[in-house]
Amino acid sequence: NAGVTQTPKFRVLKTGQSMTLLCAQDMNHEYMYWYRQDPGMGLRLIHYSVGEGTTAKGEVPDGYNVSRLKKQNFLLGLESAAPSQTSVYFCASARDSTDTQYFGPGTRLTVL
Amino acid sequence: QKEVEQDPGPLSVPEGAIVSLNCTYSNSAFQYFMWYRQYSRKGPELLMYTYSSGNKEDGRFTAQVDKSSKYISLFIRDSQPSDSATYLCAIRDTGGFKTIFGAGTRLFVKA
Repeated sequence: NAGVTQTPKFRVLKTGQSMTLLCAQDMNHEYMYWYRQDPGMGLRLIHYSVGEGTTAKGEVPDGYNVSRLKKQNFLLGLESAAPSQTSVYFCASARDSTDTQYFGPGTRLTVL
Repeated sequence: QKEVEQDPGPLSVPEGAIVSLNCTYSNSAFQYFMWYRQYSRKGPELLMYTYSSGNKEDGRFTAQVDKSSKYISLFIRDSQPSDSATYLCAIRDTGGFKTIFGAGTRLFVKA
């Protein structure tokens, strides 16, 4: 099992550009999460999904959109990137809300 | 006030030392407590999980929870250079709908 994988690993964008981050899990987990990690801020939840076709806002959803068209994939989109979105993005998955969250290796995004 | 406070460090100790990492939290609704370890440029991985006050031991690691003081700790005995990482505490409410992570403490264990 690959666990949770994220694509791409690194990306540099210019302000105003758009991109999509892909998260894939092969553990048949229902729950999937997108976090951002910034120095001194810890992990902050952007959006999450409790099953295929569902999405919900987390703590810091503004400027991001998500989709969960397939159970194993959770996409995070930035429609118009801003320098404030420079961060490391982590995807996680879990069987249910009380289960351990398994994290991917992260995507380092820089917005110039 | 942040819901979870964690000293960011860095904390530097010699090999073999006992390490104490701590977090405080503000909301008594949080009943589940976790410690994650994150190596440089990697994702966090669960290290310890507990839901009751008291101690939970796993090898060289001991998680301690004091719900009355809203204080959680992670102790590492006989620390090794391979323990060098960032340690994040996390708390979760009873329903499991909200998990809050601390900012993480960077630990360096010198050989």
